[in-house]
Amino acid sequence: DTEVTQTPKHLVMGMTNKKSLKCEQHMGHRAMYWYKQKAKKPPELMFVYSYEKLSINESVPSRFSPECPNSSLLNLHLHALQPEDSALYLCASSQVGGDRHNQPQHFGDGTRLSIL
Amino acid sequence: DQQVKQNSPSLSVQEGRISILNCDYTNSMFDYFLWYKKYPAEGPTFLISISSIKDKNEDGRFTVFLNKSAKHLSLHIVPSQPGDSAVYFCAARATSGTYKYIFGTGTRLKVLA
Repeated sequence: DTEVTQTPKHLVMGMTNKKSLKCEQHMGHRAMYWYKQKAKKPPELMFVYSYEKLSINESVPSRFSPECPNSSLLNLHLHALQPEDSALYLCASSQVGGDRHNQPQHFGDGTRLSIL
Repeated sequence: DQQVKQNSPSLSVQEGRISILNCDYTNSMFDYFLWYKKYPAEGPTFLISISSIKDKNEDGRFTVFLNKSAKHLSLHIVPSQPGDSAVYFCAARATSGTYKYIFGTGTRLKVLA
């Protein structure tokens, strides 16, 4: 069982819709991540939050808007997406800081997003 | 520019034998390396990691070797089991101060019973 929970598991939306992906972890991790993965490709980093503040934005288009309302939750708000945005969106979390610097990321099972 | 490469897209191994998955990187600033396993319809699962100050780390059937001069790491699975069949990703992180992880392209391992 994964300790990072993502909802929904599947999402189909039109290009004019607004929807949100949600991610939750209760491991006390203070870094949270969004990745995008296309078929037969590696996960590509989109955003990193550290202590609830955005620390990395990998030049992601503004139609993707992340939000970290508290240390356990991470959202990805979607608006006016394009068909090429169809992919698996993965959330991850990890411990940060001090002697816990070298800690692995724990991934959720992802949301499979299809844009019509 | 793919900074982390897994040149073998697939690998088939007989059950009980050793599986060796390889990963090459180009950035000498990477200091922490990880291996993940991914089953279909699931997120990547962490397997094992290694810091750049070590050249070997072992955890049960899994051993990761790091050759910094060659910018190469490998994952050994001994003995291989059918349940090990999955896609394996290596990942690397640059030096402290960043939480940016770069993933390799993945190797699909098939363990034959």
